[in-house]
Amino acid sequence: NAGVTQTPKFQVLKTGQSMTLQCAQDMNHEYMSWYRQDPGMGLRLIHYSVGAGITDQGEVPNGYNVSRSTTEDFPLRLLSAAPSQTSVYFCASSPTGAGGLDTQYFGPGTRLTVL
Amino acid sequence: QQPVQSPQAVILREGEDAVINCSSSKALYSVHWYRQKHGEAPVFLMILLKGGEQKGHEKISASFNEKKQQSSLYLTASQLSYSGTYFCGTKGYGGATNKLIFGTGTLLAVQP
Repeated sequence: NAGVTQTPKFQVLKTGQSMTLQCAQDMNHEYMSWYRQDPGMGLRLIHYSVGAGITDQGEVPNGYNVSRSTTEDFPLRLLSAAPSQTSVYFCASSPTGAGGLDTQYFGPGTRLTVL
Repeated sequence: QQPVQSPQAVILREGEDAVINCSSSKALYSVHWYRQKHGEAPVFLMILLKGGEQKGHEKISASFNEKKQQSSLYLTASQLSYSGTYFCGTKGYGGATNKLIFGTGTLLAVQP
């Protein structure tokens, strides 16, 4: 199993550009989520999904869109990039069915810089 | 709301002990601990349930005080490999089953 994969690993954007961060998992996990990591702020939840066709907002959803058309993929879209979105983005997945006790598996991350 | 971790950073010598605390303003169902090495993804350490259960992982253990909405991670006889940033992830009641809110992180540096 490849686990959770993310592409690209690095990206530089100009203010106002749009892009999609890709996330895929091959573990048949129902739950997937996106976090951003900034110095001193820890990991903050952007959006999450409990299954195909179902998404919801996390703590910091503004400026980001998500969709979940398949169990495997959970892309994160930046509609109009801003310097405040410079961060490291992690995608995570976990199985369901154990009352919230399941481990979250993280992807390797995407380092995004917005100029 | 994001749980608060303390201390923000700690420097140890090999063999010394450390305690990392995680405090939430909300009622908690479970607390999860993760460790992140520099430049890598967070990796799962352990899960604690309500009821004050203690879990162990190598020489790392943790406790969870449901009434105080706090959890503590105990690292004993620290090793160089323990260096990294530690995050607590909290699960409240209601909402999505697997939804975790992570804390602000504690940077641990173990020196020879």
